[in-house]
Amino acid sequence: GQQLNQSPQSMFIQEGEDVSMNCTSSSIFNTWLWYKQDPGEGPVLLIALYKAGELTSNGRLTAQFGITRKDSFLNISASIPSDVGIYFCAGPSGANNLFFGTGTRLTVIP
Amino acid sequence: DTAVSQTPKYLVTQMGNDKSIKCEQNLGHDTMYWYKQDSKKFLKIMFSYNNKELIINETVPNRFSPKSPDKAHLNLHINSLELGDSAVYFCASSQDATTANYGYTFGSGTRLTVV
Repeated sequence: GQQLNQSPQSMFIQEGEDVSMNCTSSSIFNTWLWYKQDPGEGPVLLIALYKAGELTSNGRLTAQFGITRKDSFLNISASIPSDVGIYFCAGPSGANNLFFGTGTRLTVIP
Repeated sequence: DTAVSQTPKYLVTQMGNDKSIKCEQNLGHDTMYWYKQDSKKFLKIMFSYNNKELIINETVPNRFSPKSPDKAHLNLHINSLELGDSAVYFCASSQDATTANYGYTFGSGTRLTVV
């Protein structure tokens, strides 16, 4: 079945450090979405990518749509404590609903 | 104004009970969804409704039934609750059934605990 594997599974970093995480798929995606889930809240859309090779930024966040269309990357620069949460990649499945990755849990140490 | 609101936020109940979770969206969206997030934080779709018609029904037990009185509401009714139903349930909405590309707007979740 369809799988979206994210790595790393979890990260512990010092405030101010840069963060990189990725998402790989067993099948091709035409859209990649990155969500963040704060503790006790629902996922919130951060960045959307629609074209292979596309690089898109949202403040300190930058995401890239992999050339093979089977992967995507999210970078966070100069992390701050409020970056804590779970980051999910997602993409439309064959049934045209959103399929989510396994998540990367980020902890920022002040 | 909250775009997608769910009630209750927390629900603790005994095995065998029947319970409902309510969801309302004020975005004017045509499609609403229910997702389940397990203890490992995996998010999995359960149902979606478009203009009051069920358009996706993933392999969930038939004890779970979505009910939509109008396009702004999609409630989740669960019969004969089991321990394994304990999870966080998220409601979401999108402009229509073809806009998965643009993402969904999620509610803040209902944490269901079955004891």
